[in-house]
Amino acid sequence: EVQLVESGGGLVQPGGSLRLSCAASGFTFNNYEMNWVRQAPGKGLEWVSYISNTGGAIYYADSVKGRFTISRDNAKNSLYLQMNSLRAEDTAVYYCARVLRGYTQNFDFWGHGTLVTVSA
Amino acid sequence: EIVLTQSPATLSLSPGDRATLSCRASQSVSRYLAWYQQKPGQAPRLLIYDASNRATGVPARFSGSGSGTDFTLTISSLEPEDFAVYYCQQRSLWPPLTFGGGTKVEIK
Repeated sequence: EVQLVESGGGLVQPGGSLRLSCAASGFTFNNYEMNWVRQAPGKGLEWVSYISNTGGAIYYADSVKGRFTISRDNAKNSLYLQMNSLRAEDTAVYYCARVLRGYTQNFDFWGHGTLVTVSA
Repeated sequence: EIVLTQSPATLSLSPGDRATLSCRASQSVSRYLAWYQQKPGQAPRLLIYDASNRATGVPARFSGSGSGTDFTLTISSLEPEDFAVYYCQQRSLWPPLTFGGGTKVEIK
């Protein structure tokens, strides 16, 4: 069974940092591209970042570029999002999402999400 | 950046009704458009990819059509579990990958 389990969310002050993790199981992680997508409370979906299966290609939304860093450890079947200089507008549920193989940037499996709240 | 506009924002229908949801792109996305369903407190679920391909396990009552800038998600006969929010998403020109603002299908 495919599973994506996010962790690392919580309450952080503006300007602070958090590191999100996504533990993958039930599939060959190193064969899949991955993304982070977020959803502010009561709002729609916003793409955050992409990483290729090898980690050789990485992209970010402008809203997080220079502050967030996506990475992966294929040996540990894990995806990460290092978030620095956090702002109130980064408050959201953060989902890791697997890309449908062969159809890049269609997200065929999502984790349950982890809530990040940026507030003083 | 490609902007996706979904309409209507809310669709009030009864079980058994046909639902027609629209997604319009600010420029052509060819057929690189997907649809997702999201229920309260849950992660999104992929329904349709590349305009008309049903994802694994998606019932046949869900269908997608369109190309270029205009796309439609049709639910032929609404089941109680279909009342949810639906998002379109393009992968034609990215980054950034973009989503529409969503259509809520609610019980009338």
